[in-house]
Amino acid sequence: EDQVTQSPEALRLQEGESSSLNCSYTVSGLRGLFWYRQDPGKGPEFLFTLYSAGEEKEKERLKATLTKKESFLHITAPKPEDSATYLCAVPPGSNDYKLSFGAGTTVTVRA
Amino acid sequence: NAGVTQTPKFRILKIGQSMTLQCTQDMNHNYMYWYRQDPGMGLKLIYYSVGAGITDKGEVPNGYNVSRSTTEDFPLRLELAAPSQTSVYFCASSYEGGVTGELFFGEGSRLTVL
Repeated sequence: EDQVTQSPEALRLQEGESSSLNCSYTVSGLRGLFWYRQDPGKGPEFLFTLYSAGEEKEKERLKATLTKKESFLHITAPKPEDSATYLCAVPPGSNDYKLSFGAGTTVTVRA
Repeated sequence: NAGVTQTPKFRILKIGQSMTLQCTQDMNHNYMYWYRQDPGMGLKLIYYSVGAGITDKGEVPNGYNVSRSTTEDFPLRLELAAPSQTSVYFCASSYEGGVTGELFFGEGSRLTVL
């Protein structure tokens, strides 16, 4: 059973058009939810960690929020350089060493 | 700091051949991981290590082997390559385990098995 599901699979935005990405998870006793950004041909790069429902983190045009069942990554007034695949991940409840990754949302921002 | 370095970046193998993907990190991280990434499937954990001499299986270990003789190096061995092993492989490291979750990834090794 997938522990992390991301939607939509792909998102095409016009520059300046704000939107949100969703990451839903099924692990119990969440020990943290992590967002990564991946550019084409590169490895993922860490963005945020969220630990408890209601927590928010911001970085430039990105804001991540967390509820008891899902996380949202809000992109405000995106620019073409925000085009990337955004991955979320959670540690399975029984093991802190591993992360289960979602399949990602590929965001394309057109000028 | 170079971070996490993977070699080779690209490789084509014939069915049944073997090879080793190299991974080295210069951040003195105890935890190291190998993931594979297939289109639309996300990252799947192959093997991980919590320190030199200690390794354990992840979600998809079949057809692979690892060793961890030093803190810096974590090579991934493919024995008897199969088309199903065509993928992009990422090595990662972290200072702490999944509690902090900040993994540092290499740039990946793209493997094609024909």
